[in-house]
Parts: sequence; C-alpha cells; structure tokens
Amino acid sequence: DIVMTQSPDSLAVSLGERATINCKSSRSVLYTFNKKNSVAWYQQKPGQPPKLLIYWASTREFGVPERFSGSGSGTDFTLTISSLQAEDVAVYYCQQYYTTPSWTFGQGTKVEIK
Amino acid sequence: QVQLVQSGAEVKKPGSSVRVSCKASGGTFSSDTITWVRQAPGQGLEWMGRIIPLVDVTNNAVRFEGRITFTADKSTSTAYMELRRLRSEDTAVYYCTRGDGDFALSWGQGTLVSVSS
Repeated sequence: DIVMTQSPDSLAVSLGERATINCKSSRSVLYTFNKKNSVAWYQQKPGQPPKLLIYWASTREFGVPERFSGSGSGTDFTLTISSLQAEDVAVYYCQQYYTTPSWTFGQGTKVEIK
Repeated sequence: QVQLVQSGAEVKKPGSSVRVSCKASGGTFSSDTITWVRQAPGQGLEWMGRIIPLVDVTNNAVRFEGRITFTADKSTSTAYMELRRLRSEDTAVYYCTRGDGDFALSWGQGTLVSVSS
C-alpha cells in the first residue's frame, strides 16, 4: 500500500495569509502513460462530507475558488490556500489513486484561524 | 449535478449486518463508479471498495474480505453496501461517492452506523 503522510497535523493562519499543507507519498504516484500525478485534495468542514478541490495534483475542480492551488510531483505534494478566508476552516485530506481501484488518504490537516 | 442520497442512521448489535443505500439522481449512474469510504469518529478517511454498475464489477479492501458486498440496482440508480459480522470498530460514518474510479467527484451526505451491545 502507498502511505500518504500529511504535515502538519494542524495549523493556524491569520485571515488573508497563506496556508500550506504538505503531503508525501511512500512511493511515486506519477503515471508514466500521461505524465500526471494521481493525487487529489479534499476539504471537509465539520458535519459535512468531504468536497473535491483538486485532482491530478494541480487541476482545480469546477467552482473551487482560485485561492486553492495544488502542486508537486513524484512523492511530494502541496495544497496552498493563497489568502485564507473564514470559510476555509476545515480539515484537508490528500488522496492517491495511483493504485486505483484502491485509494489511500493522508491523515488530514486541520486549518484554523489564528 | 448528480446528487447522492444515502439511507438513515443505523444502530446495530455486534455480529449483525447493516445495509446502506445510496440513490443517485441526475447524471449517468450506470457509467459511474460508486466508491464507498468510511470515517470513524474523529478519524480520517478509509477506502472500503467500489462497484461499477454498468458491468457489476466490484473491488474491496483486503481488510473487509469476506464480510462486505457491493451491489447496484440500475433500474433505480441505487447502490448498496452490506457489511456483515459487525464489530464495535465498525462504528463510523459511511459515505458513497461517485466518479470514474480515480477520485470522488461527489459524496453522499453520509450514514452513521453505530455498533454497540
């Protein structure tokens, strides 16, 4: 199994400031056939199901604000919130689908307002 | 926009079974992949398995081998997940999701299954 490890477990960021969440996979999740990294990011607010933000490591899902961006390749990935808004308070998860149909998720990173 | 509506919360005894339903509206149910993910209280997300209704192909996580079944009724656009021989550790919110099998485009609202004697 590919293990996805997120860091930090939690972070507090001031409104309008940048939030950065890291996700490291235990082995490369780069598909050689399409040169894309099989990583998705989700946002989960309290009492709600997760919501897809990013797939293929850097493609923003339709309707997701531009302040959310994904980057990285191989084994190291990052979700960046460029200017934190109050509504961004949530837990964020990375997920690999390199081993589809099987998925594995990171343990989650809780983002709060400082 | 495809919506997924799941069945209501369940309280079960250890050793019993639970079946959670997931009804899709809109979109093309048969060509989607329905993946099930669970979340124990205060914990992260765990992939359980999936079904491709068009061809009735299923896959499940090894840890559930022998006690989980995924089915789909194309006539009602409803997917089902049955988990047997329930244990207290199976207490969780169970989500169905839809997509092409790589990531979850949309999620059901979740079904809380509580297992307690």
